Amino acid sequence: NAGVTQTPKFQVLKTGQSMTLQCAQDMNHEYMSWYRQDPGMGLRLIHYSVGAGITDQGEVPNGYNVSRSTTEDFPLRLLSAAPSQTSVYFCASSLTGGVRNIQYFGAGTRLSVL
Amino acid sequence: AQTVTQSQPEMSVQEAETVTLSCTYDTSESDYYLFWYKQPPSRQMILVIRQEAYKQQNATENRFSVNFQKAAKSFSLKISDSQLGDAAMYFCAYRSAGGTSYGKLTFGQGTILTVHP
Repeated sequence: NAGVTQTPKFQVLKTGQSMTLQCAQDMNHEYMSWYRQDPGMGLRLIHYSVGAGITDQGEVPNGYNVSRSTTEDFPLRLLSAAPSQTSVYFCASSLTGGVRNIQYFGAGTRLSVL
Repeated sequence: AQTVTQSQPEMSVQEAETVTLSCTYDTSESDYYLFWYKQPPSRQMILVIRQEAYKQQNATENRFSVNFQKAAKSFSLKISDSQLGDAAMYFCAYRSAGGTSYGKLTFGQGTILTVHP
């Protein structure tokens, strides 16, 4: 059971470039989410999805797009990278969004935008 | 919106001693979960312990226990018999029961724990 898989683990971009951070889970979880981690700020929610075809914005959505065409995958797209998007990104999933369901995290992607 | 505050950016403890990490939160909800996550240098987020808001009994997992004070909105983590492997960043987190915050985790700023041999 692979759990939550994120790729790549590291990425360096130039300002203005685009890229997609991949996230896949094999636990048939309905609820998936993306967080970014910055020093002194903990993890902040970017976007989340309660099921295939349904997404919504979190606390810091600007500059990021998501889609959810399958239950397993929830990619995060940076359309035009900016230095402010330098961060560590985590994908997480849980069976549902219910309060009693534990969220499982991927190993994270460290992104640097020059 | 819910907020979570960890007022201790850094803490240190001697091996085999006990340390307590503090966390306070603000919410108007009555049903929620609270969590402590550990993040070692590998970056992996590891669930340490969780507490259901409607339970008065404090959660315990081996050397880890919490002091949950619902009225005071306080949720501290006690690590007993500290080990070198406990050194990590610790995050307190809150999960909403419903409404516009359904499913979302709100994290504190984190506390870096150093364990001295």
